[in-house]
Amino acid sequence: AQTVTQSQPEMSVQEAETVTLSCTYDTSESDYYLFWYKQPPSRQMILVIRQEAYKQQNATENRFSVNFQKAAKSFSLKISDSQLGDAAMYFCAYRSAGGNEKLTFGTGTRLTIIP
Amino acid sequence: DTGVSQDPRHKITKRGQNVTFRCDPISEHNRLYWYRQTLGQGPEFLTYFQNEAQLEKSRLLSDRFSAERPKGSFSTLEIQRTEQGDSAMYLCASSSPGQGYNEQFFGPGTRLTVL
Repeated sequence: AQTVTQSQPEMSVQEAETVTLSCTYDTSESDYYLFWYKQPPSRQMILVIRQEAYKQQNATENRFSVNFQKAAKSFSLKISDSQLGDAAMYFCAYRSAGGNEKLTFGTGTRLTIIP
Repeated sequence: DTGVSQDPRHKITKRGQNVTFRCDPISEHNRLYWYRQTLGQGPEFLTYFQNEAQLEKSRLLSDRFSAERPKGSFSTLEIQRTEQGDSAMYLCASSSPGQGYNEQFFGPGTRLTVL
């Protein structure tokens, strides 16, 4: 079974600075998808960024980028120019490409933005 | 399109009572997923539907849990004889064939408290 580990329960960053959230995963599969989801307080979870395992190029979405290291099974999220609205729980998630539709989530990292 | 909606948003019940939650997916999303999220944890997969067919069930979904999607649109999740351990946030998500079902859109969740 696949597992996802987020070793940073909490992180904080000064507004306008850069922060990196860590995620590692364990799988025996070669083809899969990785995601970062954001869950603001009392609001619904939204997708931040997605990475296909077969793509070597790291995904980027505006201020959000990932560092995908397939051999190391590492998938970190970098948030540049942090904004107050970035404050949330961030979950790393894994999904097999082989027809198993479930997302397997880590335990999350709570990100605080310091004004 | 108003996104995934869930009803009720909060439910308080006494141990031993039955509860039912409803999820309305984004229109034309033919896949619908249920997850459970306990405090301090990431969401855990419960089950998913493609149209009206329930295609996968987690071992977390005990005999007291039943999910339906009778017409391939909205879904209900029923918990019979609730226990205090059932207290959690129940999340619903939906996805469409566009982009290969690679993004699951989440609803706001139903928070269940069992006294």
